[in-house]
Amino acid sequence: NAGVTQTPKFRVLKTGQSMTLLCAQDMNHEYMYWYRQDPGMGLRLIHYSVGEGTTAKGEVPDGYNVSRLKKQNFLLGLESAAPSQTSVYFCASRKGTAYGYTFGSGTRLTVV
Amino acid sequence: AQSVTQLGSHVSVSEGALVLLRCNYSSSVPPYLFWYVQYPNQGLQLLLKYTTGATLVKGINGFEAEFKKSETSFHLTKPSAHMSDAAEYFCAVSEDFGNEKLTFGTGTRLTIIP
Repeated sequence: NAGVTQTPKFRVLKTGQSMTLLCAQDMNHEYMYWYRQDPGMGLRLIHYSVGEGTTAKGEVPDGYNVSRLKKQNFLLGLESAAPSQTSVYFCASRKGTAYGYTFGSGTRLTVV
Repeated sequence: AQSVTQLGSHVSVSEGALVLLRCNYSSSVPPYLFWYVQYPNQGLQLLLKYTTGATLVKGINGFEAEFKKSETSFHLTKPSAHMSDAAEYFCAVSEDFGNEKLTFGTGTRLTIIP
């Protein structure tokens, strides 16, 4: 049982490049989330999904897009990367509102 | 609206001493409460949770937390700190009845002094 798997684990991008971060969960969870973590700022929610085919904005959605075409996958896209998007990105999933999150191990992204 | 306040962004305790990490929440309805731990360069791991029932909740690695409704608190404790407890700890709250996401505190970094 792998839980929540994030790929890639590390990536360096040049300003203006695009990329997609993949989050996959094998627990049949309805809810999935993308957070970014920056020093001194805690966890900030980027986008989330409450079920297959649905997405919603979090507190810092600008510059990111997401898709949830399959229940088990939640993709985070950066169309034109900026240095301000240098961060550690975490994906999480959740069975329901009475449950906590299961987190992935993170993707460390550097934009130069 | 729900919110979480963690008092003290950094806490240092001596090895063998009591660990106390503070969390206060605001919620208009009965909450679900969680503590997570993050070790360096890793993701967050669930330590313990309160949903309903007993207000004293035991978690992994000897940690426990007590839900006190009158004080709107959910402080995390461990009787005797170990060097391996050095990590960042996050408190989180979710309101009952369909709330879609957790609200996290800003975290407390715990340092253990040998």
